[in-house]
Amino acid sequence: EAGVTQFPSHSVIEKGQTVTLRCDPISGHDNLYWYRRVMGKEIKFLLHFVKESKQDESGMPNNRFLAERTGGTYSTLKVQPAELEDSGVYFCASSQDDRGWMSYGYTFGSGTRLTVV
Amino acid sequence: QKEVEQDPGPLSVPEGAIVSLNCTYSNSAFQYFMWYRQYSRKGPELLMYTYSSGNKEDGRFTAQVDKSSKYISLFIRDSQPSDSATYLCAMSALSQGNLIFGKGTKLSVKP
Repeated sequence: EAGVTQFPSHSVIEKGQTVTLRCDPISGHDNLYWYRRVMGKEIKFLLHFVKESKQDESGMPNNRFLAERTGGTYSTLKVQPAELEDSGVYFCASSQDDRGWMSYGYTFGSGTRLTVV
Repeated sequence: QKEVEQDPGPLSVPEGAIVSLNCTYSNSAFQYFMWYRQYSRKGPELLMYTYSSGNKEDGRFTAQVDKSSKYISLFIRDSQPSDSATYLCAMSALSQGNLIFGKGTKLSVKP
């Protein structure tokens, strides 16, 4: 079984540019989550999709961030325009049921390391 | 006050030692408690989870939750160099889908 795939693995962009991160969850996983770790801080929740619907987007920092999940499959997270404080590692995770940690736990991808200069 | 506190270390121990990692939390609504292991340049990997208070054992790993003290622990027995990683505690309330993470403790097990 393929794991959660994220790309690019690393992106360096200038302040003011746009970047799009992509996540391919494990096939059949309805739940998809985005998390972010800013340097020196904890991993923090951004949002949660159930299929193509946003279940919870309470962690999205501001309206420069836009997440989509086309047809309930892969998801993209766009940052436009990027600011210096957006630098960090963006993780995607997927799970099979609504409270996935009860049985299978979340499966995390390896993350996208975003550097805004 | 942060919801979850975890000493970032680093923690260095000799091979074969017993390792004790812990987190404290402030939100009494948390019911699910997890430990994740993260190797460099990889995503977090679920190691152990516990519901409410109590102990759970899996091989060399034991997770403990003391809800009265709002304190959780992970013990690693007979530690191996391959256990060298960052260990993250995470927790969630019953009705939430998102996890609240600690900062992680970086562990190094020396041969």
